[in-house]
Amino acid sequence: IAGITQAPTSQILAAGRRMTLRCTQDMRHNAMYWYRQDLGLGLRLIHYSNTAGTTGKGEVPDGYSVSRANTDDFPLTLASAVPSQTSVYFCASSEGHRDTDTQYFGPGTRLTVL
Amino acid sequence: GQSLEQPSEVTAVEGAIVQINCTYQTSGFYGLSWYQQHDGGAPTFLSYNALDGLEETGRFSSFLSRSDSYGYLLLQELQMKDSASYFCAVKPGGSYIPTFGRGTSLIVHP
Repeated sequence: IAGITQAPTSQILAAGRRMTLRCTQDMRHNAMYWYRQDLGLGLRLIHYSNTAGTTGKGEVPDGYSVSRANTDDFPLTLASAVPSQTSVYFCASSEGHRDTDTQYFGPGTRLTVL
Repeated sequence: GQSLEQPSEVTAVEGAIVQINCTYQTSGFYGLSWYQQHDGGAPTFLSYNALDGLEETGRFSSFLSRSDSYGYLLLQELQMKDSASYFCAVKPGGSYIPTFGRGTSLIVHP
């Protein structure tokens, strides 16, 4: 079934460790996004990519980095994790970045930083 | 910047009709979207309004008034499976990336 996969499903991480969350889509969508979701705060954009080879910063980019080497993959890296990065992380994609484009979300990664 | 306001929680009984409101402030505006998210699940797209008026998709309808910076999601013939969080999202001018509201938890009682 076409869609977006994320790995791992959940992770407990010690503060200070480096962690990469993986996201892969097989819909050949041009645009991809990373959001974090915290209770009561909704979905906040971390980073995005309009097309392979380009990335941009969202609302809460500090402490995170991304790369977009190809169309399908959009990994999110926490260089040195801190407890405030405990959250549920959702990857999403859209066909393009037109106003009518719908976002499709992956199943999420639940990350706990101790 | 952008800001969206929606109620944090709404409760209703099975078979009823419920309306979830969303007001927004944004510099420029492309459209208003609605997403549904069940506990522990991924958000899924419900509807998108770019123009004023009502869009109907089965039991769900979405309304937009650009002049009032206001929209709502209307759910009819409520079912237990409609218990979920509902997010409105705006696409501000100059960016096609949506900004999400904090979500409304809908609880449907038997």
